[in-house]
Amino acid sequence: KAGVTQTPRYLIKTRGQQVTLSCSPISGHRSVSWYQQTPGQGLQFLFEYFSETQRNKGNFPGRFSGRQFSNSRSEMNVSTLELGDSALYLCASTINPQMFPYNEQFFGPGTRLTVL
Amino acid sequence: GQQVMQIPQYQHVQEGEDFTTYCNSSTTLSNIQWYKQRPGGHPVFLIQLVKSGEVKKQKRLTFQFGEAKKNSSLHITATQTTDVGTYFCDTPDNYGQNFVFGPGTRLSVLP
Repeated sequence: KAGVTQTPRYLIKTRGQQVTLSCSPISGHRSVSWYQQTPGQGLQFLFEYFSETQRNKGNFPGRFSGRQFSNSRSEMNVSTLELGDSALYLCASTINPQMFPYNEQFFGPGTRLTVL
Repeated sequence: GQQVMQIPQYQHVQEGEDFTTYCNSSTTLSNIQWYKQRPGGHPVFLIQLVKSGEVKKQKRLTFQFGEAKKNSSLHITATQTTDVGTYFCDTPDNYGQNFVFGPGTRLSVLP
């Protein structure tokens, strides 16, 4: 079974631009969560999608948004990029976080975004 | 909101020494997961603990869930350089809808 894939793997943008990141979950997984990871900050939860609906959202500004398609693939968009948005963006898929106890997450390799 | 604490934040050990990281919560946890992230890599699932007092072993790694289900530990016996990385614990939030990650313990192993 193929793992979680993320594209692109690396991205360099300038301040003010916008960016779209893509995540394809493991086949059969309906939940996709997005995380931002910066040095020393750990994993900061952005949002989670399940069956095309955003169920949860972390404490990030509205510049961060996402969506999920009917095939469970998900995209994350960041508008008006700031220097502080430079980070590793990880997506993780799981069957269903509410389907206890089968709620381990499988992470993709991440997209490393650099904002200049 | 629910918070999960991890100690220590950093740990430097000599190869062959043991290592333990602890994950603590003020609330009872339904289950807990442990992940390892190698430098430059992404988190990789290690284990899931569900039952009170549960102990699971994976070769040199021993995972334990506290009796009160408010804490967990990961113990590595005789560390090797391949154990280098950051170890995270994570658990569903109070509503069971999302995941809360601990800040992680970064392990360095000196050869």
